[in-house]
Amino acid sequence: QSVLTQPPSASGTPGQRVTISCSGSSSNIGGNYVYWYQQLPGTAPKLLIYRNNQRPSGVPDRFSGSKSGTSASLAISGLRSEDEADYYCAAWDDSLSSPYYVFGTGTKVTVL
Amino acid sequence: QITLKESGPTLVKPTQTLTLTCTFSGFSLSTSGVGVGWIRQPPGKALEWLALIYWDDDKRYSPSLKSRLTITKDTSEKQVVLTMTNMDPVDTATYYCAHRSGDLHFDYWGQGTLVTVSS
Repeated sequence: QSVLTQPPSASGTPGQRVTISCSGSSSNIGGNYVYWYQQLPGTAPKLLIYRNNQRPSGVPDRFSGSKSGTSASLAISGLRSEDEADYYCAAWDDSLSSPYYVFGTGTKVTVL
Repeated sequence: QITLKESGPTLVKPTQTLTLTCTFSGFSLSTSGVGVGWIRQPPGKALEWLALIYWDDDKRYSPSLKSRLTITKDTSEKQVVLTMTNMDPVDTATYYCAHRSGDLHFDYWGQGTLVTVSS
């Protein structure tokens, strides 16, 4: 059971800006970096954002990440049909004696 | 070019032990900061992190599955092996292995392998 909560769905029309939230706690988002992954239908996830707001090489700057306190957000600007996918946030959690990685509940983005 | 590929049985019976192998290329698991992790995804459900092994043989496990998991590496063979004991139908999922380096957690993924647990 994930400790990072995301809305189940989000949607927008082409060109719009869509924002996905990720809510955690002081032991995960509050004290560690946040990561975002995109999973297109039938494919393996792809790292979209690391270290809260950094994009790996090749990820368009339409994707941006931010973090404030124990919450984080992923914004997709200029929404395109190929952005229709599931999006997951993730972070390390330090609540136990050994840190562990946790994924969010996932958000399905639909392009209307 | 970094690539990873999972291999193992597609069907296991309840109570059996699952052994999955991740064979990789394009990087060395003896390089400082490098690691390989396992993540699974039940059909239609969210990703779940399972385990991670680092270049220095340090290991991390999901607390909810720790008692059932073992992760090991064979640096020379460029393989990482995950074993999960006492398999149950709820463990039916696509299992992925993925590369990490420094702060780039899971920047390269394998294609995944679907494991079904059924008698």
